[in-house]
Amino acid sequence: KAGVTQTPRYLIKTRGQQVTLSCSPISGHRSVSWYQQTPGQGLQFLFEYFSETQRNKGNFPGRFSGRQFSNSRSEMNVSTLELGDSALYLCASSERDSLYGYTFGSGTRLTVV
Amino acid sequence: SQQGEEDPQALSIQEGENATMNCSYKTSINNLQWYRQNSGRGLVHLILIRSNEREKHSGRLRVTLDTSKKSSSLLITASRAADTASYFCATDAWGGGNKLTFGTGTQLKVEL
Repeated sequence: KAGVTQTPRYLIKTRGQQVTLSCSPISGHRSVSWYQQTPGQGLQFLFEYFSETQRNKGNFPGRFSGRQFSNSRSEMNVSTLELGDSALYLCASSERDSLYGYTFGSGTRLTVV
Repeated sequence: SQQGEEDPQALSIQEGENATMNCSYKTSINNLQWYRQNSGRGLVHLILIRSNEREKHSGRLRVTLDTSKKSSSLLITASRAADTASYFCATDAWGGGNKLTFGTGTQLKVEL
């Protein structure tokens, strides 16, 4: 069974640009969540999607957005990048909800210069 | 901001010894989960304990949950060098909507 696949693994962007990260969940998993990990703030929840609908959203500015497609694949977009957006972005999938536990991808490391 | 605090922040032990990590949280929870992370890679799900459970075992792992004290502990028995990693607790709060709130993490180093 393939794991959660995140692409790209590494990304370097310039301030002001936008970026799109992709996540392919485990087959059959309909819940996809996104987390940001930084040395200063640790792991923080961005948003969760289930069957193409956003079920929950964290405390991030509107520059952070996401979506989920009918095949459960998800993308997150960050517009007008700031230096502080440099982080490891992790995607996690679950069959339905937290009681099933989450499987995380290896992450996308974004560096904003 | 993170809900959970983990203690200790760092732990160094010899192979074969037991490692205990503690996690405290602030609100009522639906369940609590422990994850391992190696060198800034993805997180690996270790074990989940529901709010109505007090103890759970999985291989060399033992997790306890005390909802009255809002705390949990993870015990790794007979540790191995391969257990060297960061360990995080994560809570799903009641009404939180499948949003995991992570603790600050414990960096475990197991030396040969």
